[in-house]
Amino acid sequence: DGGITQSPKYLFRKEGQNVTLSCEQNLNHDAMYWYRQDPGQGLRLIYYSQIVNDFQKGDIAEGYSVSREKKESFPLTVTSAQKNPTAFYLCASSIGPSSSDTQYFGPGTRLTVL
Amino acid sequence: QKEVEQNSGPLSVPEGAIASLNCTYSDRGSQSFFWYRQYSGKSPELIMFIYSNGDKEDGRFTAQLNKASQYVSLLIRDSQPSDSATYLCAPLSGEKLTFGTGTRLTIIP
Repeated sequence: DGGITQSPKYLFRKEGQNVTLSCEQNLNHDAMYWYRQDPGQGLRLIYYSQIVNDFQKGDIAEGYSVSREKKESFPLTVTSAQKNPTAFYLCASSIGPSSSDTQYFGPGTRLTVL
Repeated sequence: QKEVEQNSGPLSVPEGAIASLNCTYSDRGSQSFFWYRQYSGKSPELIMFIYSNGDKEDGRFTAQLNKASQYVSLLIRDSQPSDSATYLCAPLSGEKLTFGTGTRLTIIP
């Protein structure tokens, strides 16, 4: 099955701890994205990557870090510097970043910081 | 001013009727416009996209785009209970999508 997987589905962490969210795709897509969604709000872009070993900050990158060592993997680390980390985190991928390339989403990880 | 505005709803429509979802955007450089459907607790799934002025039909769904008015809409014909969800409008500008907060649609049997 081709698709995007995110793990875990639910994650609980204590305040002050770093946590890494996994995102893997087997669609051979070049571009990958991380979004955050809070209740009643739209998706906000955290980081994106168009090619291996390269990534750019989105609109709300502070307190987050990413890596893109492999085409199929784009993990997101939520650091202790992120003030309000509790949210629904969505990973997406697209063939490339052109104007007609659709972004497809993984199932998401719901992070709760206690 | 919000970059992408959608009526948050909830919008209630009788089963079998037409649901009309509206979206306005501020970035005139937006090239393509995507509509996603999101069920509660799930991730967004693509309904359709449009990049030329006018209408684009796909089954029961029709997207309409008017770039001069910076307006895009989604019509759902013969609404079904399974259409009850939040619909997200997302213009693409450059390499980034900007999402609206979504319109919650409820289809009443």
